[in-house]
Amino acid sequence: EAGVVQSPRYKIIEKKQPVAFWCNPISGHNTLYWYRQNLGQGPELLIRYENEEAVDDSQLPKDRFSAERLKGVDSTLKIQPAELGDSAVYLCASSLTSTNEQFFGPGTRLTVL
Amino acid sequence: GEDVEQSLFLSVREGDSSVINCTYTDSSSTYLYWYKQEPGAGLQLLTYIFSNMDMKQDQRLTVLLNKKDKHLSLRIADTQTGDSAIYFCAESQGGGSYIPTFGRGTSLIVHP
Repeated sequence: EAGVVQSPRYKIIEKKQPVAFWCNPISGHNTLYWYRQNLGQGPELLIRYENEEAVDDSQLPKDRFSAERLKGVDSTLKIQPAELGDSAVYLCASSLTSTNEQFFGPGTRLTVL
Repeated sequence: GEDVEQSLFLSVREGDSSVINCTYTDSSSTYLYWYKQEPGAGLQLLTYIFSNMDMKQDQRLTVLLNKKDKHLSLRIADTQTGDSAIYFCAESQGGGSYIPTFGRGTSLIVHP
């Protein structure tokens, strides 16, 4: 069975440009998470979806970040415009329900120049 | 201070035991976790322990919890080069909020 799939794996952009990350969770998993992992830090939750509903987005910088999970399967995280401080690894995870083990994807490493 | 604290580095010789330590501040933590992250990969849940337990053993892994001191440790017996990775301690409160709060991670280096 395929794990959590993320693309692209790496992205380099100039500041003020937009960028989007895509995540395909494990089939059948209702809960999807986006985390940001800064260099030398642990992951921090940005947003959590239960099916297509965002139920925890308190840590998402809403002025420049947006996310969607249409049809409750794949999800996209967007940053517009990107800032230098957005350089990080963006991790997607999924779980069967919010009380089950989370499975992480390999992440997208974003570098903003 | 940080909610979950870990030492940043640990170096051990292959075949020795590794002990990674963690302290946390939230006394209402219900679940405590150890995750492993290999280079270029996402996090993998290694093991977890409920806060009402003192110890959990799973093959080469032993987790010890001192709830009074809010101290968690992960012991890896017979450490192998394949164990080289970053190990994250994390806690969650459960009861509808199973989102882990992660430490900064301990980089384990295993040398021959």
